[in-house]
Amino acid sequence: NAGVTQTPKFQVLKTGQSMTLQCAQDMNHEYMSWYRQDPGMGLRLIHYSVGAGITDQGEVPNGYNVSRSTTEDFPLRLLSAAPSQTSVYFCASTRTGVSPLHFGNGTRLTVT
Amino acid sequence: DQQVKQNSPSLSVQEGRISILNCDYTNSMFDYFLWYKKYPAEGPTFLISISSIKDKNEDGRFTVFLNKSAKHLSLHIVPSQPGDSAVYFCAASTLTNAGKSTFGDGTTLTVKP
Repeated sequence: NAGVTQTPKFQVLKTGQSMTLQCAQDMNHEYMSWYRQDPGMGLRLIHYSVGAGITDQGEVPNGYNVSRSTTEDFPLRLLSAAPSQTSVYFCASTRTGVSPLHFGNGTRLTVT
Repeated sequence: DQQVKQNSPSLSVQEGRISILNCDYTNSMFDYFLWYKKYPAEGPTFLISISSIKDKNEDGRFTVFLNKSAKHLSLHIVPSQPGDSAVYFCAASTLTNAGKSTFGDGTTLTVKP
């Protein structure tokens, strides 16, 4: 069982570069989300989706774009990377309603 | 304004003893609470949850207690084992959308052999 798969595991970007963090799940979950975790802090919600074609902003959406064209995939795009976006990014999925999140193993991003 | 707070960044206990991790929340709309465990270089994994209609939920060595009037919940681990050493996150949401959870900053638990 693959669960939630995130790629890449590590990435170094220069300020101003763009990139896409990939996330895929094979559990047919309707709900997917992106969180970032900064040192000593909890996970903060960036964007989420309740189904294909539907996305919405979370707590810290600025500087990030998302789209959800299929149930399985939920990529996160950084249009112009900034040092403040240095963080560990986690993708998660779940069924709607009362169900816990299933997380990927994260992408560690460094922006210099 | 942080809606979910874990005021103890770290906790150290002896193997075999009880570990108690605490969490406070401010948003009265939250009615579903979860605990996640995280090892280094891995994603968080779900541990145990409780809805606001209950005040206690047990799963093996793990018990979560909810005090709605105090907006406080706690996770008890009995007996603690070295493999329990990890970061524990408290999360809160509504029953209709548990996926949109708000997380605390985490408590690092160290269980000494």
